[in-house]
Amino acid sequence: DAKTTQPNSMESNEEEPVHLPCNHSTISGTDYIHWYRQLPSQGPEYVIHGLTSNVNNRMASLAIAEDRKSSTLILHRATLRDAAVYYCILSTYNNNDMRFGAGTRLTVKP
Amino acid sequence: ETGVTQSPTHLIKTRGQQVTLRCSSQSGHNTVSWYQQALGQGPQFIFQYYREEENGRGNFPPRFSGLQFPNYSSELNVNALELDDSALYLCASSLGLAGGIQETQYFGPGTRLLVL
Repeated sequence: DAKTTQPNSMESNEEEPVHLPCNHSTISGTDYIHWYRQLPSQGPEYVIHGLTSNVNNRMASLAIAEDRKSSTLILHRATLRDAAVYYCILSTYNNNDMRFGAGTRLTVKP
Repeated sequence: ETGVTQSPTHLIKTRGQQVTLRCSSQSGHNTVSWYQQALGQGPQFIFQYYREEENGRGNFPPRFSGLQFPNYSSELNVNALELDDSALYLCASSLGLAGGIQETQYFGPGTRLLVL
């Protein structure tokens, strides 16, 4: 099964951009890349997802490598409310087996 | 505000007992997934239900079972509880469109289960 590798933790300063990396070297052609985040004492929440092209939404941007073996979640201006565990997930075609790893714990310093 | 609710918020059981956890999905969401999240780890997929039928299962034994009801509610049942079942149990709902691919999952706040 395809899996993802993320750094355990990262730190950022408030109002600076944050680049969260994810490696998924065994990704298959039909796997989408999803990012969710989990704030303290809450369930995970959707951030963004993509297949091949870079994606932007109001929360973040997703940059996907040309060979799709890695991706980067970009928070353009980190705020204290962005402090959370960020999960990079590959989903099966039917999206019925979301495999979360341990994620990256992002700390945002004022 | 995701609209997904879970009950109870916390629960304490003893080894060997049975437990039922409940989830209320967002209205109109035909798919519900259940996850187990041990302390310090990411959520692990237990199973998914689509229109009251099981639609995928993770690496969990049969003593983990589920039900989904027409009113967008669902249950996770765990029999013969073990100490390692202590975890946060999350449910997530999604629309469940044809093919069900790449839909956003909306998570509830979870039920924290402690098995003594």
